[in-house]
Amino acid sequence: SAVISQKPSRDICQRGTSLTIQCQVDSQVTMMFWYRQQPGQSLTLIATANQGSEATYESGFVIDKFPISRPNLTFSTLTVSNMSPEDSSIYLCSVLGTPHSTYEQYFGPGTRLTVT
Amino acid sequence: AQTVTQSQPEMSVQEAETVTLSCTYDTSENNYYLFWYKQPPSRQMILVIRQEAYKQQNATENRFSVNFQKAAKSFSLKISDSQLGDTAMYFCAYNQGGSEKLVFGKGTKLTVNP
Repeated sequence: SAVISQKPSRDICQRGTSLTIQCQVDSQVTMMFWYRQQPGQSLTLIATANQGSEATYESGFVIDKFPISRPNLTFSTLTVSNMSPEDSSIYLCSVLGTPHSTYEQYFGPGTRLTVT
Repeated sequence: AQTVTQSQPEMSVQEAETVTLSCTYDTSENNYYLFWYKQPPSRQMILVIRQEAYKQQNATENRFSVNFQKAAKSFSLKISDSQLGDTAMYFCAYNQGGSEKLVFGKGTKLTVNP
């Protein structure tokens, strides 16, 4: 499987500020995704990070709140903007289309965000 | 829209025993994939096992196996010889063939007791 790293692993932020989360993969992948996992909940897809074009957002998520970049096939960032306590969650990136498999998604270790 | 249902919020099992986690899904598609992911307290999502809908044979990975009933839209996970390290949240997930989106169930919290 792919080796996926995320930075930071956790952070505590003040409301109104922004945080950028990085996701790095050790091999070129076809697709990269960003998920949110609220406390005690399942995973919800925020958006698909498209290389060289704007991300594709799921219903309920907008670019102004969660801008995403994907400059190449191994790296993506998610920014959580103008944070409020409701944004406290684990944010996970995942990848699809590795040299190992075309249909299995692998996940990064997640970033635990707490907004005070 | 596809949905995934895990009806057991929590389960427990004694070490070395066998436990089965339930998952049902709703889809009108014929080509899809099903997955079980494990999320221990470290929060790393780990792919446990996968099943292609077109395969009749149930997938097996060491102590983990599935019972895939396509007509009933059921996809249960059996863990044999449970170990303390199996303690985790287990998520069932669906992926429609040709689509990238994973749809997750709400998860089952499994505790393995010594």
